[in-house]
Amino acid sequence: DIQLTQSPSFLSASVGDRVTITCRASQGISSYLAWYQQKPGKAPKLLIYAASTLQSGVPSRFSGSGSGTEFTLTISSLQPEDFATYYCQQLNSYPFTFGPGTKVDIK
Amino acid sequence: QVQLQESGPGLVKPSQTLSLTCTVSGGSISSGGYYWSWIRQHPGKGLEWIGYIYYSGSTYYNPSLKSRVTISVDTSKNQFSLKLSSVTAADTAVYYCARAIRLDYGDYLDYWGQGTLVTVSS
Repeated sequence: DIQLTQSPSFLSASVGDRVTITCRASQGISSYLAWYQQKPGKAPKLLIYAASTLQSGVPSRFSGSGSGTEFTLTISSLQPEDFATYYCQQLNSYPFTFGPGTKVDIK
Repeated sequence: QVQLQESGPGLVKPSQTLSLTCTVSGGSISSGGYYWSWIRQHPGKGLEWIGYIYYSGSTYYNPSLKSRVTISVDTSKNQFSLKLSSVTAADTAVYYCARAIRLDYGDYLDYWGQGTLVTVSS
């Protein structure tokens, strides 16, 4: 299985901050990567697919980059509704695996 | 707008079979290009992909669960289902059904059900 790691696992930030989350894959996955946002008690929501393509309806302050083994999710100006847990997922090979998550909390 | 809704028992006894159904509305499960998926999340933990099914019946399962999992589809009811046999407390989780759309570079989970908590306990 392809293992994904995320860093940091937790970050505390303020509204307006620029936030970057990193996802690393145990082997190359080209651009077969998604980012999801999950709020407590809710299902995950697709933010980014194919590593850098913004899902329809997702605010442009979210962006993704990377290919191969290292990927980043950036929130350019953190908004109150962005406090949540973020997961990456690889779709390169079965089984599709998720990263352990990064919780973004209010400073 | 596509909507998915999980249904099934919230409590299952150890060694029994967990059975959940996902009802899809706002779109046909027989539409090509979509894979109907199950994902679970252990309490306070991360996400685990269980597997998915195409409307034709082709399935792909997580090898860690493959010996116990069956995903099936009923196009006449616009539903797909999950069966997980020989459950233990380790199968206690929130189970989500979701639609995976085949796009560039992968099959992405673009619509999700709200999730249902299944507890395995005697």
